[in-house]
Amino acid sequence: GESVGLHLPTLSVQEGDNSIINCAYSNSASDYFIWYKQESGKGPQFIIDIRSNMDKRQGQRVTVLLNKTVKHLSLQIAATQPGDSAVYFCAESGGGSGTSYGKLTFGQGTILTVHP
Amino acid sequence: DTAVSQTPKYLVTQMGNDKSIKCEQNLGHDTMYWYKQDSKKFLKIMFSYNNKELIINETVPNRFSPKSPDKAHLNLHINSLELGDSAVYFCASSLGARTPLHFGNGTRLTVT
Repeated sequence: GESVGLHLPTLSVQEGDNSIINCAYSNSASDYFIWYKQESGKGPQFIIDIRSNMDKRQGQRVTVLLNKTVKHLSLQIAATQPGDSAVYFCAESGGGSGTSYGKLTFGQGTILTVHP
Repeated sequence: DTAVSQTPKYLVTQMGNDKSIKCEQNLGHDTMYWYKQDSKKFLKIMFSYNNKELIINETVPNRFSPKSPDKAHLNLHINSLELGDSAVYFCASSLGARTPLHFGNGTRLTVT
C-alpha cells in the first residue's frame, strides 16, 4: 500500500552544522511532497514543498531534494540552530481528485536535536 | 491572529462519555481536515471536507462524526469514548489539493 517512511528516527547535530533528514516513499503516483516541523505542544508547521516536476527547491536555510527514480526525499537545513530542534515529518500526496483530494500521507517523523 | 484554532486544548474525560472538539479557520480555505496523532507521533488522516462536503472518510469508527456548518468550521464529535481514543487531534485547512495544510495546535484527548 501507500507509505512514506523515514530512515533515521533521531538525528543529533552541533549548532552550525548542516542537517540532512531523509524520507522514502513507495507510491509512484505521488506528485506533491512537503516537509513539516513540529515543536512540542504545537501543530505541524509548513517548511517547504516540492512538486514532482522539480528535483530541487530552496527556501531560507532549507533545501528539499526529490529523487523520483529511487522515491527518495530529503530536507537539508543549513547552519542548524538550537531553534531547529523539533520533529520533522515528510508527507506526500498522490492524488488531487475524488477520495484522495488534498490528502497528505505522513511519514514516521525524525527527531532533530541541535546541541549548542 | 490564529489561522487555525481548535478548542479545547486539553480534554480529559471518562470512558463512555461523548465529547466535541471545535475547529475554525480564518484563512478562507475551502478544505478542512481532522488528523489523529498517536503516542508515537504518527499522523493519520481521519476526515476531510471540501466546501462543507465530506471528501475523505478513512477507516474511522462510526463513533466519530465530523460536522461542517460552514466552510470555516469543522467540528469533531466523538460518542462513547474509549481508552484507545486517547491521542492528539489536529484540525487543518488548505486551499485544495497539492497545497500546504495549515494545522491548529491540537487537542490532547485523554480518556480514563
